[in-house]
Amino acid sequence: RKEVEQDPGPFNVPEGATVAFNCTYSNSASQSFFWYRQDCRKEPKLLMSVYSSGNEDGRFTAQLNRASQYISLLIRDSKLSDSATYLCVVTLSGTYKYIFGTGTRLKVLA
Amino acid sequence: DAGITQSPRYKITETGRQVTLMCHQTWSHSYMFWYRQDLGHGLRLIYYSAAADITDKGEVPDGYVVSRSKTENFPLTLESATRSQTSVYFCASRPTDSANYGYTFGSGTRLTVV
Repeated sequence: RKEVEQDPGPFNVPEGATVAFNCTYSNSASQSFFWYRQDCRKEPKLLMSVYSSGNEDGRFTAQLNRASQYISLLIRDSKLSDSATYLCVVTLSGTYKYIFGTGTRLKVLA
Repeated sequence: DAGITQSPRYKITETGRQVTLMCHQTWSHSYMFWYRQDLGHGLRLIYYSAAADITDKGEVPDGYVVSRSKTENFPLTLESATRSQTSVYFCASRPTDSANYGYTFGSGTRLTVV
């Protein structure tokens, strides 16, 4: 089983739609969680950290469920510019190693 | 310019040649990392460094060598390039040892080994 798993997609959604991605992790000692965004042929960029109580940044909401070992990303009112691959990242307690999921591809359609 | 820069952006080399990928950051971040990204595998850690003169292996270190004589530079050398090392290579840095900080990535080097 992979340490971090994501549905590769693609998720094809119309503009204005709400879309959610999940990411599951296998190690219960995982400490910190992030969502990164990666555009085609570009470097990954930090989208947001994921906090235990859940957090929101504009149209983006991230949540953590430690009991079920998954994190989620919700995008409301999707824009064409949201089209990208979204990478889930998990870190283990006591290390500074990040473990990346393989990403979920989102296409927002006009 | 401030930030993290990688060079070259694109490189084609022949099997068996030595090639060095450069990474330079201007923030004086302690932690630096090298990843490779391949379809189906996502980002895999090659080597990382906690400070100048401190480096350690990641998940896929075979065939690679790193050095870090200065905080701002973290070059990655392929000692004898193989076709399986064709990939996109990303360098990243982070300011502290706190796991709550995200990485900042360079723009990547696209390496083709023929």
